Amino acid sequence: GESVGLHLPTLSVQEGDNSIINCAYSNSASDYFIWYKQESGKGPQFIIDIRSNMDKRQGQRVTVLLNKTVKHLSLQIAATQPGDSAVYFCAEISGGGADGLTFGKGTHLIIQP
Amino acid sequence: KAGVTQTPRYLIKTRGQQVTLSCSPISGHRSVSWYQQTPGQGLQFLFEYFSETQRNKGNFPGRFSGRQFSNSRSEMNVSTLELGDSALYLCASSTDISGNTIYFGEGSWLTVV
Repeated sequence: GESVGLHLPTLSVQEGDNSIINCAYSNSASDYFIWYKQESGKGPQFIIDIRSNMDKRQGQRVTVLLNKTVKHLSLQIAATQPGDSAVYFCAEISGGGADGLTFGKGTHLIIQP
Repeated sequence: KAGVTQTPRYLIKTRGQQVTLSCSPISGHRSVSWYQQTPGQGLQFLFEYFSETQRNKGNFPGRFSGRQFSNSRSEMNVSTLELGDSALYLCASSTDISGNTIYFGEGSWLTVV
């Protein structure tokens, strides 16, 4: 499958500020997107997902925005906390899952006190 | 309910040996997929099983194989280990791979020496 990429390898934010992590994808056939959080030594943890027929989805302190016109996905984290420090991956799936999840390279979110 | 369980969590093998990793999916989930995570290549799809059948396969050599049992538990095997096989191997489960939330286990850390 085509790759899914993130714009920044590292993002540093102040505790309490909002964080925005971006992701660009190239496969126009992608129909399902997931954001994962991975802490050191652990497996990816599901955060939020969105289907291609939606533009926005909100969860607890997180919002995912999907812009299909420019093939862009973003994850917004409100009031960032120290526990939000992790690597964040966007992933997409298309074609019924024939290629499984295609992951971006990840953004390391660092929270400054 | 219990999450995705992977065993063993850590293991060290010698080049040329083979290894078997085990995964128990979330109860009720019939789709189990496997991923390899390395610093250089990121997260890459290995294969996916559904109802004991390999349904999708990533771009890995035939040394990587797997199977799924009637209770949805899955195993993956790597034969003739190479140094480059050192990685975190992640198992993920879902009700079905396409369009449904996919949950990951904590992974099995394999070191080949």
